[in-house]
Amino acid sequence: SAVISQKPSRDICQRGTSLTIQCQVDSQVTMMFWYRQQPGQSLTLIATANQGSEATYESGFVIDKFPISRPNLTFSTLTVSNMSPEDSSIYLCSVVGQGSYEQYFGPGTRLTVT
Amino acid sequence: EDQVTQSPEALRLQEGESSSLNCSYTVSGLRGLFWYRQDPGKGPEFLFTLYSAGEEKEKERLKATLTKKESFLHITAPKPEDSATYLCAVQGFIKAAGNKLTFGGGTRVLVKP
Repeated sequence: SAVISQKPSRDICQRGTSLTIQCQVDSQVTMMFWYRQQPGQSLTLIATANQGSEATYESGFVIDKFPISRPNLTFSTLTVSNMSPEDSSIYLCSVVGQGSYEQYFGPGTRLTVT
Repeated sequence: EDQVTQSPEALRLQEGESSSLNCSYTVSGLRGLFWYRQDPGKGPEFLFTLYSAGEEKEKERLKATLTKKESFLHITAPKPEDSATYLCAVQGFIKAAGNKLTFGGGTRVLVKP
């Protein structure tokens, strides 16, 4: 399975600011995703990060709030914009390797908004 | 819309006390059912993929089974290190959904020595 890293691992941010989270994979992957896990909850898909084109967002998530980039097959970023305390969550990236359906997750970024 | 329900929400076991976790699902054509283990403060760790009813997979003290409506994760003679949240997710065949996973709420397992 691919080795996935995320930066930062955690951050505490002020209301109204933005944070960009990076996801780096050690091998080329076909698909990359971003999930949110609110405190005590399960995972909710934010969007699929498409290489070379705009991300595909799930219902309830919009590009202005969660802009995503994927410049190549091993790297993606998620920005949480104009943050409020309700954005306090763990943000996880996941990847699907070539010829596989299995998704592997990064270690997550724990975000606290004050 | 795909739906996944896990039960129980929490499970307290004595070391060596075997038990089962349930994952009930509805999906428009199942491409795969996935089990993950998540430790506090960490990302989910992949355990198993099941593709068709009747399929079974094992890893150490864990065994996953699949029917047309539900999956079970059996924990045999658990040890304290098996304490974690176990997540179930499904992926359907709808092309527009791509590789989207729909997760259940998870089962928090605590194994006491």
